[in-house]
Amino acid sequence: RKEVEQDPGPFNVPEGATVAFNCTYSNSASQSFFWYRQDCRKEPKLLMSVYSSGNEDGRFTAQLNRASQYISLLIRDSKLSDSATYLCVVNLVTRGSYIPTFGRGTSLIVHP
Amino acid sequence: SQTIHQWPATLVQPVGSPLSLECTVEGTSNPNLYWYRQAAGRGLQLLFYSVGIGQISSEVPQNLSASRPQDRQFILSSKKLLLSDSGFYLCAWGQGVGYTFGSGTRLTVV
Repeated sequence: RKEVEQDPGPFNVPEGATVAFNCTYSNSASQSFFWYRQDCRKEPKLLMSVYSSGNEDGRFTAQLNRASQYISLLIRDSKLSDSATYLCVVNLVTRGSYIPTFGRGTSLIVHP
Repeated sequence: SQTIHQWPATLVQPVGSPLSLECTVEGTSNPNLYWYRQAAGRGLQLLFYSVGIGQISSEVPQNLSASRPQDRQFILSSKKLLLSDSGFYLCAWGQGVGYTFGSGTRLTVV
């Protein structure tokens, strides 16, 4: 089983739609979690951290379910500019250091 | 503010040639530094990480090596490139509350 798994998609949605991505992780000792956004041929950029209580940033909501070992990202009122690959990141402390493990990403295409 | 610089942006190298990619960080001290590779259509694979000068941990056995000669400098090297070394190489720094990436080097081995 892969350490961090995501549905690669693509998710093809119209503008204004609500779309949700899930990401599962295998190591229950994982410490912290993030969602990153990667545009084509660019470096990943931090979208938001994921907190146990859930957190929201504008149209984006992230949630963590430790019992089931998954995190989710919800995007409301999708914009064309939301088209990108969304990467799930799980932090594990190994030998005293944070080791971030990335999922392969979920591709989102928002069309007019 | 913290910034991370990575160069060159693109590189085309023949099989068997050496490689040296450099990454430098500004605005922070003693950062954790990471090298990732992203092959076409694939996820990010952690290659090396470093928690301090001269301290390198390798995540996967391969044709590459890394060095950290200064606190804010991280170098990825190879003595002889293979075709399979082609990919998008990304340097990142972080302290567990999020990671910032350099703009990456797109390496094509021909």
